Amino acid sequence: SQQGEEDPQALSIQEGENATMNCSYKTSINNLQWYRQNSGRGLVHLILIRSNEREKHSGRLRVTLDTSKKSSSLLITASRAADTASYFCATARETGNQFYFGTGTSLTVIP
Amino acid sequence: GAGVSQSPRYKVTKRGQDVALRCDPISGHVSLYWYRQALGQGPEFLTYFNYEAQQDKSGLPNDRFSAERPEGSISTLTIQRTEQRDSAMYRCASSTRQGRAEAFFGQGTRLTVV
Repeated sequence: SQQGEEDPQALSIQEGENATMNCSYKTSINNLQWYRQNSGRGLVHLILIRSNEREKHSGRLRVTLDTSKKSSSLLITASRAADTASYFCATARETGNQFYFGTGTSLTVIP
Repeated sequence: GAGVSQSPRYKVTKRGQDVALRCDPISGHVSLYWYRQALGQGPEFLTYFNYEAQQDKSGLPNDRFSAERPEGSISTLTIQRTEQRDSAMYRCASSTRQGRAEAFFGQGTRLTVV
């Protein structure tokens, strides 16, 4: 079953603006991952943050994790048209190795 | 191989037929996962393996679905007596370190049951 829930479901911004997506989950986790999916194609791993970390950066991506609120956010700075995609969070529980995806945020970056 | 490889890429089958979907993970990856994704939805967990051992199959919808990974490398997801509701994209992923590292996905198999 779905573990996480992304918010908003859809987001439309102008090129150059920042995009923020949020993920909330229900159970304690070992780590949380963010993935990008272009128009129903393959899932591309973006970043993994562990439960003992609070923030990670990768290029224009910044991910935060608040385990007390059971939530994470993905910030994409200086967005580009090529960032248009669906973004999913996936949580790995403390026990077991499987991970569960959220419902996704559809991001549209307007040139 | 360089990435996770799934075959076939597309499969059209008649209702009632059995299908076998194949996943070839990244060489050396310990964990292998199967997911199913409906249009506009996030991937839904089906089952996963560490080496050849199936660790969790709680996500398999019913007993028509089964999976194996006999030598700890290639895996096969089998759906018996297919139904139209089985139509979806089936995705495979693999990772190192028994799930505590990022997972890499294949391009998926689009299954259509007619």
